[in-house]
Amino acid sequence: DTEVTQTPKHLVMGMTNKKSLKCEQHMGHRAMYWYKQKAKKPPELMFVYSYEKLSINESVPSRFSPECPNSSLLNLHLHALQPEDSALYLCASSQLRGGNEKLFFGSGTQLSVL
Amino acid sequence: QKEVEQDPGPLSVPEGAIVSLNCTYSNSAFQYFMWYRQYSRKGPELLMYTYSSGNKEDGRFTAQVDKSSKYISLFIRDSQPSDSATYLCAMTHSMKTSYDKVIFGPGTSLSVIP
Repeated sequence: DTEVTQTPKHLVMGMTNKKSLKCEQHMGHRAMYWYKQKAKKPPELMFVYSYEKLSINESVPSRFSPECPNSSLLNLHLHALQPEDSALYLCASSQLRGGNEKLFFGSGTQLSVL
Repeated sequence: QKEVEQDPGPLSVPEGAIVSLNCTYSNSAFQYFMWYRQYSRKGPELLMYTYSSGNKEDGRFTAQVDKSSKYISLFIRDSQPSDSATYLCAMTHSMKTSYDKVIFGPGTSLSVIP
């Protein structure tokens, strides 16, 4: 199984809503990532978890709150988002030793904030 | 100067053509070089991975790295309509820890016309 599964595929939310994005992998990878991608732009790193601990937070606003409940799951909790947060949110995973430059991406959640 | 530069295209070629995609970079410490393919509304998929300078071939795809010129290329032979996608170069200097980041180029949009 070389898949990273993200749910939901699409999400529309208002600025006062609270929602969560979910990501799952069963490749035994111990690094998991959240990226944000705007149209015609490259993915932009938001958070990195290694061994279920947050290792990188790229100065992301607190309205985005990541969580890594176990080695297979990664969540991104959303609250009081702004319209400019509309984007494709990508989850990725990688091995931590001898190959963690090889990122495996999910298909993403297309988020629209109204 | 941006860390990684890539012509955004769009690049349009007839089916069967040889495609050349290129990136330049400024950080001489980069050692790991990747090419990702991203179809519309999907996550990036790792196509090619190269460590340091040299060539690597995989089927119709050849990746070249010239560290002295800080220039990497991806060649696609006998291009097919299914190759129509955005191609992102990516690179990093080290992947020994989860603090090491992959830097993406902005991507080149490719269309292969039947």
